[in-house]
Amino acid sequence: GDSVTQMEGPVTLSEEAFLTINCTYTATGYPSLFWYVQYPGEGLQLLLKATKADDKGSNKGFEATYRKETTSFHLEKGSVQVSDSAVYFCALVTQGGSEKLVFGKGTKLTVNP
Amino acid sequence: EPEVTQTPSHQVTQMGQEVILRCVPISNHLYFYWYRQILGQKVEFLVSFYNNEISEKSEIFDDQFSVERPDGSNFTLKIRSTKLEDSAMYFCASNLLGLPEKLFFGSGTQLSVL
Repeated sequence: GDSVTQMEGPVTLSEEAFLTINCTYTATGYPSLFWYVQYPGEGLQLLLKATKADDKGSNKGFEATYRKETTSFHLEKGSVQVSDSAVYFCALVTQGGSEKLVFGKGTKLTVNP
Repeated sequence: EPEVTQTPSHQVTQMGQEVILRCVPISNHLYFYWYRQILGQKVEFLVSFYNNEISEKSEIFDDQFSVERPDGSNFTLKIRSTKLEDSAMYFCASNLLGLPEKLFFGSGTQLSVL
Protein backbone atom coordinates (compact mmCIF):
# COMPACT_ATOMS: atom_id res chain seq x y z
CA GLY A 1 0.00 0.00 0.00
CA ASP A 2 0.90 3.65 -0.07
CA SER A 3 3.40 4.80 2.52
CA VAL A 4 5.58 7.69 3.58
CA THR A 5 8.96 7.44 5.24
CA GLN A 6 10.56 10.45 6.82
CA MET A 7 13.79 10.86 8.68
CA GLU A 8 13.80 9.98 12.34
CA GLY A 9 14.07 12.76 14.79
CA PRO A 10 14.48 14.59 16.92
CA VAL A 11 16.47 17.21 15.06
CA THR A 12 18.15 19.98 17.04
CA LEU A 13 19.64 23.00 15.29
CA SER A 14 20.94 26.39 16.17
CA GLU A 15 19.15 29.48 14.90
CA GLU A 16 20.05 30.36 11.30
CA ALA A 17 21.19 26.82 10.51
CA PHE A 18 20.12 25.04 7.32
CA LEU A 19 17.35 22.50 7.68
CA THR A 20 16.65 19.38 5.66
CA ILE A 21 14.05 16.81 6.64
CA ASN A 22 14.01 13.87 4.25
CA CYS A 23 10.80 12.30 3.02
CA THR A 24 10.34 9.48 0.54
CA TYR A 25 7.15 7.83 -0.54
CA THR A 26 5.71 4.72 -2.11
CA ALA A 27 2.47 5.10 -4.01
CA THR A 28 0.57 3.74 -6.93
CA GLY A 29 -0.22 6.36 -9.49
CA TYR A 30 0.72 10.00 -9.01
CA PRO A 31 0.11 11.25 -5.50
CA SER A 32 -0.14 14.79 -4.25
CA LEU A 33 2.46 15.49 -1.57
CA PHE A 34 2.23 17.63 1.53
CA TRP A 35 4.15 18.87 4.52
CA TYR A 36 2.16 19.55 7.66
CA VAL A 37 3.47 21.26 10.78
CA GLN A 38 2.26 20.94 14.36
CA TYR A 39 3.33 23.69 16.74
CA PRO A 40 3.13 22.91 20.47
CA GLY A 41 -0.46 22.71 21.68
CA GLU A 42 -1.93 23.20 18.22
CA GLY A 43 -3.39 21.04 15.46
CA LEU A 44 -1.62 19.98 12.30
CA GLN A 45 -1.49 22.78 9.73
CA LEU A 46 -0.71 22.53 6.06
CA LEU A 47 2.72 24.03 5.45
CA LEU A 48 3.10 23.42 1.73
CA LYS A 49 2.07 21.08 -1.05
CA ALA A 50 2.96 19.90 -4.54
CA THR A 51 0.58 18.11 -6.84
CA LYS A 52 2.77 16.95 -9.73
CA ALA A 53 6.32 16.03 -10.57
CA ASP A 54 8.87 18.86 -10.43
CA ASP A 55 6.44 21.17 -8.63
CA LYS A 56 8.00 23.13 -5.80
CA GLY A 57 5.87 23.96 -2.80
CA SER A 58 6.94 26.87 -0.63
CA ASN A 59 5.70 28.76 2.41
CA LYS A 60 7.26 30.70 5.30
CA GLY A 61 10.75 30.16 3.86
CA PHE A 62 10.29 26.39 3.63
CA GLU A 63 10.53 24.60 0.30
CA ALA A 64 10.06 21.09 -1.01
CA THR A 65 10.30 19.78 -4.57
CA TYR A 66 8.31 16.81 -5.86
CA ARG A 67 10.93 14.43 -7.29
CA LYS A 68 9.26 11.58 -9.11
CA GLU A 69 12.54 9.93 -10.14
CA THR A 70 13.65 9.58 -6.53
CA THR A 71 10.12 9.44 -5.04
CA SER A 72 11.12 12.16 -2.62
CA PHE A 73 9.75 15.40 -1.18
CA HIS A 74 12.45 16.69 1.14
CA LEU A 75 11.71 19.75 3.25
CA GLU A 76 14.34 22.51 3.35
CA LYS A 77 14.79 25.91 4.91
CA GLY A 78 17.87 28.03 4.53
CA SER A 79 17.85 29.69 7.95
CA VAL A 80 15.69 28.34 10.75
CA GLN A 81 14.30 30.38 13.61
CA VAL A 82 13.36 29.44 17.16
CA SER A 83 9.72 29.82 16.13
CA ASP A 84 10.14 26.97 13.63
CA SER A 85 10.38 24.51 16.53
CA ALA A 86 7.57 22.05 15.86
CA VAL A 87 6.80 18.57 14.58
CA TYR A 88 6.84 18.23 10.80
CA PHE A 89 4.82 15.57 8.98
CA CYS A 90 5.20 14.48 5.39
CA ALA A 91 2.02 13.14 3.80
CA LEU A 92 0.48 12.06 0.53
CA VAL A 93 -2.92 11.53 -0.97
CA THR A 94 -3.34 9.30 -3.95
CA GLN A 95 -5.45 10.32 -6.89
CA GLY A 96 -8.56 8.38 -7.61
CA GLY A 97 -11.06 9.55 -5.09
CA SER A 98 -9.64 8.51 -1.74
CA GLU A 99 -9.96 11.24 0.84
CA LYS A 100 -7.42 9.93 3.24
CA LEU A 101 -3.99 11.37 3.89
CA VAL A 102 -1.14 8.91 4.41
CA PHE A 103 1.36 10.34 6.87
CA GLY A 104 4.86 9.69 7.99
CA LYS A 105 5.81 9.44 11.66
CA GLY A 106 6.70 13.09 12.04
CA THR A 107 10.04 14.72 12.80
CA LYS A 108 10.43 16.90 15.85
CA LEU A 109 12.56 19.97 15.24
CA THR A 110 13.99 22.05 18.05
CA VAL A 111 15.77 25.29 17.21
CA ASN A 112 17.94 26.79 19.92
CA PRO A 113 18.81 30.50 20.09
CA GLU B 1 -9.47 32.36 12.52
CA PRO B 2 -11.91 29.46 12.83
CA GLU B 3 -10.52 26.31 14.33
CA VAL B 4 -11.40 22.70 15.09
CA THR B 5 -11.78 22.15 18.81
CA GLN B 6 -11.23 18.84 20.57
CA THR B 7 -12.11 17.94 24.12
CA PRO B 8 -10.70 16.76 26.40
CA SER B 9 -7.04 17.27 25.64
CA HIS B 10 -6.18 14.25 27.78
CA GLN B 11 -8.38 11.30 28.72
CA VAL B 12 -7.49 8.38 30.92
CA THR B 13 -9.69 5.31 30.99
CA GLN B 14 -9.64 1.74 32.19
CA MET B 15 -9.39 -1.12 29.73
CA GLY B 16 -12.83 -2.33 28.71
CA GLN B 17 -14.51 1.01 29.35
CA GLU B 18 -16.34 3.02 26.72
CA VAL B 19 -14.86 6.37 25.79
CA ILE B 20 -16.22 9.22 23.69
CA LEU B 21 -13.88 11.74 22.12
CA ARG B 22 -15.48 15.00 21.16
CA CYS B 23 -14.77 17.41 18.35
CA VAL B 24 -16.37 20.64 17.22
CA PRO B 25 -15.51 21.12 13.53
CA ILE B 26 -15.52 24.46 11.78
CA SER B 27 -19.13 25.49 11.49
CA ASN B 28 -19.68 25.49 7.72
CA HIS B 29 -17.59 22.40 7.01
CA LEU B 30 -19.20 19.31 5.53
CA TYR B 31 -16.52 16.62 5.69
CA PHE B 32 -15.21 15.20 8.95
CA TYR B 33 -12.36 12.89 9.81
CA TRP B 34 -10.62 11.07 12.61
CA TYR B 35 -6.93 10.19 12.55
CA ARG B 36 -4.77 8.76 15.31
CA GLN B 37 -1.11 8.48 16.16
CA ILE B 38 0.20 5.79 18.46
CA LEU B 39 3.36 6.98 20.19
CA GLY B 40 6.34 6.61 17.89
CA GLN B 41 4.26 5.51 14.93
CA LYS B 42 2.70 7.13 11.92
CA VAL B 43 -0.44 9.23 11.91
CA GLU B 44 -3.13 6.84 10.64
CA PHE B 45 -6.45 7.53 8.98
CA LEU B 46 -9.44 6.07 10.80
CA VAL B 47 -12.61 7.32 9.15
CA SER B 48 -14.22 10.00 7.02
CA PHE B 49 -17.81 11.16 7.38
CA TYR B 50 -20.02 13.12 5.03
CA ASN B 51 -23.74 13.69 4.76
CA ASN B 52 -24.35 11.82 8.00
CA GLU B 53 -22.66 8.64 6.95
CA ILE B 54 -19.24 7.08 6.82
CA SER B 55 -17.69 7.63 3.40
CA GLU B 56 -14.42 5.78 3.97
CA LYS B 57 -12.85 3.83 6.81
CA SER B 58 -9.60 2.03 7.46
CA GLU B 59 -9.00 -1.50 8.68
CA ILE B 60 -8.37 -0.06 12.14
CA PHE B 61 -11.95 1.20 12.32
CA ASP B 62 -13.60 -2.04 13.37
CA ASP B 63 -16.87 -2.70 15.19
CA GLN B 64 -15.47 -1.25 18.39
CA PHE B 65 -15.42 2.20 16.80
CA SER B 66 -18.30 4.43 15.79
CA VAL B 67 -18.76 8.04 14.80
CA GLU B 68 -21.68 10.33 15.13
CA ARG B 69 -22.70 13.89 14.46
CA PRO B 70 -25.46 14.08 17.03
CA ASP B 71 -26.49 17.70 16.92
CA GLY B 72 -25.10 19.41 13.83
CA SER B 73 -22.11 20.87 15.64
CA ASN B 74 -20.31 18.04 17.45
CA PHE B 75 -18.55 15.13 15.80
CA THR B 76 -17.76 12.25 18.15
CA LEU B 77 -15.66 9.12 18.08
CA LYS B 78 -16.79 6.34 20.39
CA ILE B 79 -14.70 3.35 21.35
CA ARG B 80 -17.00 0.77 22.93
CA SER B 81 -14.58 -1.35 24.89
CA THR B 82 -11.14 0.16 25.00
CA LYS B 83 -7.98 -1.90 24.70
CA LEU B 84 -4.47 -1.02 25.77
CA GLU B 85 -3.50 -0.66 22.12
CA ASP B 86 -6.08 2.09 21.65
CA SER B 87 -3.81 4.42 23.60
CA ALA B 88 -2.91 7.14 21.12
CA MET B 89 -3.33 10.77 20.15
CA TYR B 90 -6.61 11.15 18.28
CA PHE B 91 -6.96 14.00 15.80
CA CYS B 92 -10.23 15.31 14.44
CA ALA B 93 -10.25 17.20 11.15
CA SER B 94 -12.77 18.89 8.90
CA ASN B 95 -13.05 20.65 5.59
CA LEU B 96 -15.62 22.23 3.38
CA LEU B 97 -15.19 20.48 0.04
CA GLY B 98 -13.47 17.21 0.86
CA LEU B 99 -10.15 18.39 -0.56
CA PRO B 100 -7.20 16.98 1.41
CA GLU B 101 -5.18 20.17 1.06
CA LYS B 102 -7.93 22.16 2.74
CA LEU B 103 -8.04 20.06 5.87
CA PHE B 104 -8.17 21.73 9.28
CA PHE B 105 -7.01 19.66 12.24
CA GLY B 106 -7.73 19.93 15.93
CA SER B 107 -4.95 19.80 18.49
CA GLY B 108 -5.79 16.25 19.48
CA THR B 109 -6.97 14.20 22.44
CA GLN B 110 -4.35 12.04 24.12
CA LEU B 111 -6.13 8.82 25.16
CA SER B 112 -4.43 6.63 27.72
CA VAL B 113 -5.93 3.19 28.37
CA LEU B 114 -4.74 1.59 31.61
